[in-house]
Amino acid sequence: GESVGLHLPTLSVQEGDNSIINCAYSNSASDYFIWYKQESGKGPQFIIDIRSNMDKRQGQRVTVLLNKTVKHLSLQIAATQPGDSAVYFCAETDAGNMLTFGGGTRLMVKP
Amino acid sequence: EAGVVQSPRYKIIEKKQPVAFWCNPISGHNTLYWYRQNLGQGPELLIRYENEEAVDDSQLPKDRFSAERLKGVDSTLKIQPAELGDSAVYLCASSLEGGGQAFFGQGTRLTVV
Repeated sequence: GESVGLHLPTLSVQEGDNSIINCAYSNSASDYFIWYKQESGKGPQFIIDIRSNMDKRQGQRVTVLLNKTVKHLSLQIAATQPGDSAVYFCAETDAGNMLTFGGGTRLMVKP
Repeated sequence: EAGVVQSPRYKIIEKKQPVAFWCNPISGHNTLYWYRQNLGQGPELLIRYENEEAVDDSQLPKDRFSAERLKGVDSTLKIQPAELGDSAVYLCASSLEGGGQAFFGQGTRLTVV
């Protein structure tokens, strides 16, 4: 299938290493944040979310960190695997319930 | 449980022709979104429905795009007439309520030639 990430910033990591993907947002009123994973030819898939009253949330192999002071969000993937290769998007929602996406980062995992 | 279902998966049309996309959201989800995703970019919201009401369509090019969700369940997005610049992936998503976790369909890849 055609890649969705031809012109996106790319992060290349070795299999087994940890990955950190960053996202800056601009709307200080955003109160809910989601990380999505998008593989080629597929729709975005939910990974993890966090509300603005938290600064950290952990899932299976993934952790999201939220720094509201500098409007920064990060996704940490532990022990990155080849199946993690995809484009990752952060998305935010404010009180108006608009789900707005950031520009995305392409993660490439080298075996 | 079935996820968000979209059809068709692919569509190739000549410019100036009409085209329609269909979306069936997850059962019970009141909020439905249509997004457009250009190659190498993140999805951009076109329209959001709360049940059958379009509550945010500010990004929908109303001269050629239209959408409906008549019974508050499935939805169609139409382009008439299509232009070359409309080539993109059109994604549908749904959530239980606005501002909640949204689930996406596979998308419809439109190519206008």
